[in-house]
Amino acid sequence: GAVVSQHPSRVICKSGTSVKIECRSLDFQATTMFWYRQFPKQSLMLMATSNEGSKATYEQGVEKDKFLINHASLTLSTLTVTSAHPEDSSFYICSAAQPLGIYEQYFGPGTRLTVT
Amino acid sequence: GNSVTQMEGPVTLSEEAFLTINCTYTATGYPSLFWYVQYPGEGLQLLLKATKADDKGSNKGFEATYRKETTSFHLEKGSVQVSDSAVYFCALLLISSGSARQLTFGSGTQLTVLP
Repeated sequence: GAVVSQHPSRVICKSGTSVKIECRSLDFQATTMFWYRQFPKQSLMLMATSNEGSKATYEQGVEKDKFLINHASLTLSTLTVTSAHPEDSSFYICSAAQPLGIYEQYFGPGTRLTVT
Repeated sequence: GNSVTQMEGPVTLSEEAFLTINCTYTATGYPSLFWYVQYPGEGLQLLLKATKADDKGSNKGFEATYRKETTSFHLEKGSVQVSDSAVYFCALLLISSGSARQLTFGSGTQLTVLP
């Protein structure tokens, strides 16, 4: 149980275009989802926290207009990278937390974004 | 603020060797502690956790004990296998007012086990 999927697993896009990444909780309802960014050989950096039905809370230094997060249902959150640039190339990972699971987050497999 | 410090890698061991990856933390409250494992090209999987002092988390032969007096949560395994090769992250969770259960991660330690 507690499976989180991400789609796509890899995406290559041209500079200036937008890319949407989906994060789904497959067998539980996630009131809270988190989006992380991971650079090669580095740790995870929390980008934002999204709660179903409300606006996402972004971490300091993360541009909310560039990284659009939508959490429209209890099983789906999306991250849209708008007007992507090569420096946005990274590994993006989402996680989801159950309503009563205050201790544990379940992580998706990640999405490798390459902007050319 | 809260922070997690892990021993720097990479760590390279021979199969069946003993593993220790050090982790210490700084927190303004009383956190829960976690070890996550990341295999190449994948997301993170929870390896083990401990929610209070002196708790021992264990899974797949890995163990870590929550030591409040030394603010540590070192990961150990008595006999590593090639399949244990991965990146290991120590993390803490401190729930405060307005917080949505945010994890604070250490920098990660790359482990390579040679046959």
